[in-house]
Amino acid sequence: AQKVTQAQTEISVVEKEDVTLDCVYETRDTTYYLFWYKQPPSGELVFLIRRNSFDEQNEISGRYSWNFQKSTSSFNFTITASQVVDSAVYFCALSAANTGNQFYFGTGTSLTVIP
Amino acid sequence: ETGVTQSPTHLIKTRGQQVTLRCSSQSGHNTVSWYQQALGQGPQFIFQYYREEENGRGNFPPRFSGLQFPNYSSELNVNALELDDSALYLCASSWNGDPGNEQFFGPGTRLTVL
Repeated sequence: AQKVTQAQTEISVVEKEDVTLDCVYETRDTTYYLFWYKQPPSGELVFLIRRNSFDEQNEISGRYSWNFQKSTSSFNFTITASQVVDSAVYFCALSAANTGNQFYFGTGTSLTVIP
Repeated sequence: ETGVTQSPTHLIKTRGQQVTLRCSSQSGHNTVSWYQQALGQGPQFIFQYYREEENGRGNFPPRFSGLQFPNYSSELNVNALELDDSALYLCASSWNGDPGNEQFFGPGTRLTVL
C-alpha cells in the first residue's frame, strides 16, 4: 500500500526565515514518483516539483529546494528566506507504477509566514 | 494554453439529491482524475478516465460515477447525496495516464450537502 505522512500540521515563521516541510512516504514499489503541490486559499493545487525513485539528486529552484533520501523514505521541502506569498497549504504526493496515475496525498502542512 | 476549468464553483444540495460536476481538461491532455478533499484533509482519489474509459478507482461507493467525452472533458456524478459528501471536488488532467506525469488541477467545486 502507498502512504504519505506529513507530520507537521501547521507551521508559522517570520518573514525571511527558512522553513522545512517534512514528507515521509511508504511504498513497496521500486518505481515511484514524488510530488509537491501548493494550495493557496483560492483552492487550486499548484504543481511545484516531481521526482522519480531513481533520481536522488537534490534540486534547487530559486528559494525552493528539495531533499530526496530513499534511505529514510523522505522527500523534504525547504523554503529559504520565506515571504508572505509563501503562505499556503503544501501537499506531498506519491504515485507508483503499479497503481497507475493515482496520487496518494498527505494531509498537508499549513504554512503561515508572518510579516 | 487553456488550463483546467471546473463548473460550477459552488453548489448547495440536500441529502438524497443527485449532482453533476464538470471539468474541462488542459489542452493536449487525455486523462482526467477526480479527487475529493474534505476540510483540513488531503485530496482523496475517486477515479481516473483515460481516453473515455475508467482507468482506476479509489475507495468510493458506486454512487460516485463518471464519464469522459471525446474532447476529454469529464463529469463526476454523485447520487443519493449524503452529508459526508460535502467537500471540495478537484479535477486534474494529465497526459496518457502515466504515474510519472504531473497532474494539473482545476480550481475545484465546493459542494455543500444540507
